[in-house]
Amino acid sequence: GAVVSQHPSRVICKSGTSVKIECRSLDFQATTMFWYRQFPKQSLMLMATSNEGSKATYEQGVEKDKFLINHASLTLSTLTVTSAHPEDSSFYICSARSRGSNQPQHFGDGTRLSIL
Amino acid sequence: GIQVEQSPPDLILQEGANSTLRCNFSDSVNNLQWFHQNPWGQLINLFYIPSGTKQNGRLSATTVATERYSLLYISSSQTTDSGVYFCAVEELTFGTGTQLKVEL
Repeated sequence: GAVVSQHPSRVICKSGTSVKIECRSLDFQATTMFWYRQFPKQSLMLMATSNEGSKATYEQGVEKDKFLINHASLTLSTLTVTSAHPEDSSFYICSARSRGSNQPQHFGDGTRLSIL
Repeated sequence: GIQVEQSPPDLILQEGANSTLRCNFSDSVNNLQWFHQNPWGQLINLFYIPSGTKQNGRLSATTVATERYSLLYISSSQTTDSGVYFCAVEELTFGTGTQLKVEL
């Protein structure tokens, strides 16, 4: 089946550091990728949607200068949390699908980000 | 935006029992999916089901689009079914989730 690889799985770093999270589709072309954030015991909240070669579309309330998303190829999208602070600590999950909104989403295993 | 509510919020089952999880949504949708998040946070796509009924092993799902709800059936539950079940509509909005624990 379709595989999405997300790295790193866990990051612990100091406040003010920028952190990059990678999301790769290993065996299919991911024309669309999604980035979600999940707080403990809560549902997933969509942060942004990105189509290959286009700028990401951010959801309301998500700072695009804080959460930089790049989707430069059909197999790779990155999320960079710039100048991270403790309130950015969360579980970040990417997903990817091939062309067509009726295609299933395949998820990475998530990145647990802890900012000290 | 569309509101997505799931029920029950929590469910405890004895192994072997059957259960039904419900997802209500506030507007018509073109895309509805069910996911399982295991205790380690990994999400697995269970069904893409904007309408109709599908079955996959012990799991099946039915969406009645005209009445704006979807049901996920789990039969002969196993401890490995534990975790959180989410429905999501239009790829953008996840429901509130049902936390399921299956006990021996």
